[in-house]
Amino acid sequence: GNSVTQMEGPVTLSEEAFLTINCTYTATGYPSLFWYVQYPGEGLQLLLKATKADDKGSNKGFEATYRKETTSFHLEKGSVQVSDSAVYFCALKASNTGKLIFGQGTTLQVKP
Amino acid sequence: DTEVTQTPKHLVMGMTNKKSLKCEQHMGHRAMYWYKQKAKKPPELMFVYSYEKLSINESVPSRFSPECPNSSLLNLHLHALQPEDSALYLCASSQEGPSGSGETQYFGPGTRLLVL
Repeated sequence: GNSVTQMEGPVTLSEEAFLTINCTYTATGYPSLFWYVQYPGEGLQLLLKATKADDKGSNKGFEATYRKETTSFHLEKGSVQVSDSAVYFCALKASNTGKLIFGQGTTLQVKP
Repeated sequence: DTEVTQTPKHLVMGMTNKKSLKCEQHMGHRAMYWYKQKAKKPPELMFVYSYEKLSINESVPSRFSPECPNSSLLNLHLHALQPEDSALYLCASSQEGPSGSGETQYFGPGTRLLVL
């Protein structure tokens, strides 16, 4: 079946630290991969996406590379800010069902 | 513009009430979705409309009734809800149906529902 596994949080970092949030997936076929971010009290915002192997998605200093060989899509940012504090969801869009499958979410807390 | 709007932002209702949630998008998207999100959990798909027709119902109880009056609007009618239905209800849209390759779903801000 299709599934997404994210590292458990919360992840607590100091401002300007390097961020990695791990995401691995299991999927039938060739899924598209997404990172969404949810700020407190808000809906989900698309952060970045990649639709095929070796694609790199990037936005607002965040990056993730679609690694087919390791079935991973890890989120990275070189220098986090307090304003990056949020819940981050990794998701795949299954090519067989078209449904969006989410990971459990990782809470990031950035302290000044 | 990738905006999906939802009203109301907050809703409190009793178990005997009837209420409706509204979702609107003006991006020309032809697929619209309802999700339910409980605290500290990922969103769970409820319904998908594709070209104004219901294409997916994830075995949602009949006390939730979706409606798609036109390609820009999506409603969720609520009746006789239970306290465990309290959650954030998210609407999303995408350009084509869910089977479109690489299709991105854009989410609204959600309606926070409390059932007393």
